[in-house]
Amino acid sequence: ETGVTQSPTHLIKTRGQQVTLRCSSQSGHNTVSWYQQALGQGPQFIFQYYREEENGRGNFPPRFSGLQFPNYSSELNVNALELDDSALYLCASSHTNSNLGYTFGSGTRLTVV
Amino acid sequence: TQLLEQSPQFLSIQEGENLTVYCNSSSVFSSLQWYRQEPGEGPVLLVTVVTGGEVKKLKRLTFQFGDARKDSSLHITAAQPGDTGLYLCAGVSYSSGSARQLTFGSGTQLTVLP
Repeated sequence: ETGVTQSPTHLIKTRGQQVTLRCSSQSGHNTVSWYQQALGQGPQFIFQYYREEENGRGNFPPRFSGLQFPNYSSELNVNALELDDSALYLCASSHTNSNLGYTFGSGTRLTVV
Repeated sequence: TQLLEQSPQFLSIQEGENLTVYCNSSSVFSSLQWYRQEPGEGPVLLVTVVTGGEVKKLKRLTFQFGDARKDSSLHITAAQPGDTGLYLCAGVSYSSGSARQLTFGSGTQLTVLP
């Protein structure tokens, strides 16, 4: 059983650019969520995807968007990057019928300069 | 907006000491989870508490969910250097779109000195 894998592990982008982060969910999991974790803070919910549709969103602007594919892998896209977007981006998968916790990936460390 | 306040933010103790981390909110959550996060890794689930007043033990770790399901505590007995890490509480709720989302506290960075 594979866990959640994210790529890339580290990324440096310039303000105003666009970025795509990728996530492969754990086998058997049909729901994927994305979280942003700023340095010294707890993760903040960005959005969740189920059956390839967004079914929940946190307090993040529309320039944060996502996709979920039929194989349950996922992408997080961020347009018009701002310096405050620098953070660890975590992908988490779960099964919608499970009351268990999420399985988190190791994250992508994004630095915007 | 649901918020979870965690305290203390930092904790540095000697090996063998006991400690308690608190997680408080003005909101009711359907359940509450505790995670531990190591540098460069994602959070790893330790426990889920569901029922008000519930107490769960995991070796030297004891987790308690408040009667009103708004607060929780994590107690570690005889801490060891291997317990060092960032401890996060997370309240589970459901958005209008039925998404199960986690609201995390800001975390407690625990350092256990040998």
